[in-house]
Amino acid sequence: QSVLTQPPSASGTPGQRVTISCSGSSSTIGNNYVHWYQQLPGTAPKLLIYRNDQRPSGVPDRFSGSKSGTSASLAISGLRSEDEADYYCAVWDGSLWIFGGGTNLAVL
Amino acid sequence: QVQLQESGPGLVKPSETLSLTCSVSGGSINSRYWSWIRQPPGKGLEWIGYIYYSGNTNYNPSLKSRVTISVDTSKTQFSLRLNSVTAADTAVYYCARLDGNSENYWGQGTLVTVSS
Repeated sequence: QSVLTQPPSASGTPGQRVTISCSGSSSTIGNNYVHWYQQLPGTAPKLLIYRNDQRPSGVPDRFSGSKSGTSASLAISGLRSEDEADYYCAVWDGSLWIFGGGTNLAVL
Repeated sequence: QVQLQESGPGLVKPSETLSLTCSVSGGSINSRYWSWIRQPPGKGLEWIGYIYYSGNTNYNPSLKSRVTISVDTSKTQFSLRLNSVTAADTAVYYCARLDGNSENYWGQGTLVTVSS
């Protein structure tokens, strides 16, 4: 069980806005940047959000990240079928990379 | 564009040593941290450790006693050795460069099965 807690599953319908949470502590999220990855079935994780709320080039602005205290969230607006994937939060705590347990997002 | 490619045996016997190599192309291996991450079937991601191009390493405490990561800058490769493997080490193993910024590169991953 990871020290970064994510809900195991989430769902939404096309066009909806969904949020995925990532809960940690002062030593993880509280004092470090949070990053988010998207993993489509059978593929390597892809960086979606870095340093809490920054989007790499090429990531649609439908994806946004935020952090408050010891928790972080990933929001996906205008949900599309191709967003169906696993999502992971991650933190570098100064000595190791820690990943959340992952959230499986279903687009109904 | 930096590309990473894992290679190595897909089947390892219990108690033996898992060995994988990651070949880096499209960029320098210098002045960067290079990581190994694994993902058991149907489960989440676990960071194994990293190596700096100079050879400095840092490992996940949960695996530290069994892991060795090395680098060969002349071949632009870095490698993973995990000894005394069990079925619990069956996973897709990824090599990656995780810079903590927008620079983020992963190999496609390679499935290693531990079985007799």
